Amino acid sequence: KQEVTQIPAALSVPEGENLVLNCSFTDSAIYNLQWFRQDPGKGLTSLLLIQSSQREQTSGRLNASLDKSSGRSTLYIAASQPGDSATYLCAVKSQGGSEKLVFGKGTKLTVNP
Amino acid sequence: DTAVSQTPKYLVTQMGNDKSIKCEQNLGHDTMYWYKQDSKKFLKIMFSYNNKELIINETVPNRFSPKSPDKAHLNLHINSLELGDSAVYFCASSQAGVNEQFFGPGTRLTVL
Repeated sequence: KQEVTQIPAALSVPEGENLVLNCSFTDSAIYNLQWFRQDPGKGLTSLLLIQSSQREQTSGRLNASLDKSSGRSTLYIAASQPGDSATYLCAVKSQGGSEKLVFGKGTKLTVNP
Repeated sequence: DTAVSQTPKYLVTQMGNDKSIKCEQNLGHDTMYWYKQDSKKFLKIMFSYNNKELIINETVPNRFSPKSPDKAHLNLHINSLELGDSAVYFCASSQAGVNEQFFGPGTRLTVL
């Protein structure tokens, strides 16, 4: 059974700082990994999708890496801004035909001006 | 242009009632999902439909019945609502082969 863990549960940083959010998963037989952002009272916004054959994906100030063999992914946010404050969720789709995503519990990020 | 939409956004109802939540996607995707986010913010899959066919049915009470009239719509009907059903319910969609999932804004259900 796939389990996804995100550490830390909460993170507070000053504006401008570079930061890394961590995600680990127990079963390395994944199809892809997706990072989402959730603002309070809102839905999920897809940030980056990494296929199992890829090592990283980049979008603007965001870079996500994937190390399947060690069961880890990181989300790197460069030059953080107050508008980056949100909960960041990691989700894994396992191999084997199931279409479901298994989510971590998220990291709540606060970027202080 | 809303990609995945849900109605209603908020739903407050009494225990024992029956209610429905509707979801529509205009992305042309062939797979749709229902997820539940509990009070601790943990997101968990409930159901998934591919081209109107049920493909995932997690351990969910049979009071919950999804219905997909066509591949752009996936509705969730809940019978005999209980206090523990209070949560935020998210609809999502994806295209097989691409697999990136897109989520709706959520429906906050409160059972009194």
